Amino acid sequence: DQQVKQNSPSLSVQEGRISILNCDYTNSMFDYFLWYKKYPAEGPTFLISISSIKDKNEDGRFTVFLNKSAKHLSLHIVPSQPGDSAVYFCAANPRFGYGNKLVFGAGTILRVKS
Amino acid sequence: NAGVTQTPKFQVLKTGQSMTLQCAQDMNHNSMYWYRQDPGMGLRLIYYSASEGTTDKGEVPNGYNVSRLNKREFSLRLESAAPSQTSVYFCASSVQGEGPQHFGDGTRLSIL
Repeated sequence: DQQVKQNSPSLSVQEGRISILNCDYTNSMFDYFLWYKKYPAEGPTFLISISSIKDKNEDGRFTVFLNKSAKHLSLHIVPSQPGDSAVYFCAANPRFGYGNKLVFGAGTILRVKS
Repeated sequence: NAGVTQTPKFQVLKTGQSMTLQCAQDMNHNSMYWYRQDPGMGLRLIYYSASEGTTDKGEVPNGYNVSRLNKREFSLRLESAAPSQTSVYFCASSVQGEGPQHFGDGTRLSIL
């Protein structure tokens, strides 16, 4: 059973608009969440993270929101640019007693149209 | 600044052959990881090494072995390759137990 779910396999957005990527998790032990971006034939690249003690973290055009009660997080990209077209993975870390063993979602393909 | 380097980038094997995937990092990280990525399933942890001299199983360890050769290098071995092991393999490293993991560009492995 998948502990981290990205229910939208793909998302298409117009350049300049907001992209919202969603992620749900089931394990209440998860307390650190990350988003990775992946281009074809490259490895995933770290984008932004959030600890469970926060509900929002911003880095430039990227903002991650965490709703612990709903076990849901989202990544907002504003404004979206064609270079943002990639696969986005949500990942969670069950910190207590598990070290840094990330659990990944299946990914969402984002296409930003110019 | 190389980061995490994986070799080879591509490999085709026949069922039953053995193969070692190599990974090296130059960021002085303590922890290293091996993942596999399959369509529709994201990345799944095969094995990890929290620090030099230690290794532990991840979510999908069956059919694999690992060696933490030194602080920089972490290899993944398939002793008897099976078609189900056709996948893209990623190595990653991180500061021990904390922070984001940094990934290599992957090894595409096909087993016929």
